[in-house]
Amino acid sequence: SQQGEEDPQALSIQEGENATMNCSYKTSINNLQWYRQNSGRGLVHLILIRSNEREKHSGRLRVTLDTSKKSSSLLITASRAADTASYFCATCPGSARQLTFGSGTQLTVLP
Amino acid sequence: DAGITQSPRHKVTETGTPVTLRCHQTENHRYMYWYRQDPGHGLRLIHYSYGVKDTDKGEVSDGYSVSRSKTEDFLLTLESATSSQTSVYFCAISDGTSGRGTDTDTQYFGPGTRLTVL
Repeated sequence: SQQGEEDPQALSIQEGENATMNCSYKTSINNLQWYRQNSGRGLVHLILIRSNEREKHSGRLRVTLDTSKKSSSLLITASRAADTASYFCATCPGSARQLTFGSGTQLTVLP
Repeated sequence: DAGITQSPRHKVTETGTPVTLRCHQTENHRYMYWYRQDPGHGLRLIHYSYGVKDTDKGEVSDGYSVSRSKTEDFLLTLESATSSQTSVYFCAISDGTSGRGTDTDTQYFGPGTRLTVL
């Protein structure tokens, strides 16, 4: 079973616009992570937010976490064509060194 | 790809044949993972290892076995491949140590192996 579920499944925007992806999960977590996957490649870690954090920034990325709603969002500002990829949230529950991935959001940034 | 290689990168095999996929890391990370990725399912954990000769099952372990005889190598074996095991397989590693103040739960992924079972 999947812990994280991304929304929307697919998103198409123009270059320069902001992209927002959401993730909902079911059980308590230690941290939540976002990964990017370019077509035909492995996943690349973007950002990790811990359960006691509410917001985190990294370059053009902004992640929020609401543990009361069991949800997170990833905002990519001023998107570029190179941001075209699939984005996955992954939850890490408790002390287990395992991640449970959602099914991903396919982002297409049109030039 | 953070010192992780997978071999082979592509494989076509027939139903009923054994298949072994190899993951090799040069990062000396303690944790290693095997996932499969299928359309509409994201990544699902098959097996993972938390040390040499220490392994455990993941969400979709039926039909798969693993072995880790050295820190750097994690093997995934399909004893008798079936068409339902056609997928892209990813290996990942994680430091997983505590107390360093770093994001030790971050996983680093290999490039993947595309397996087709006919």
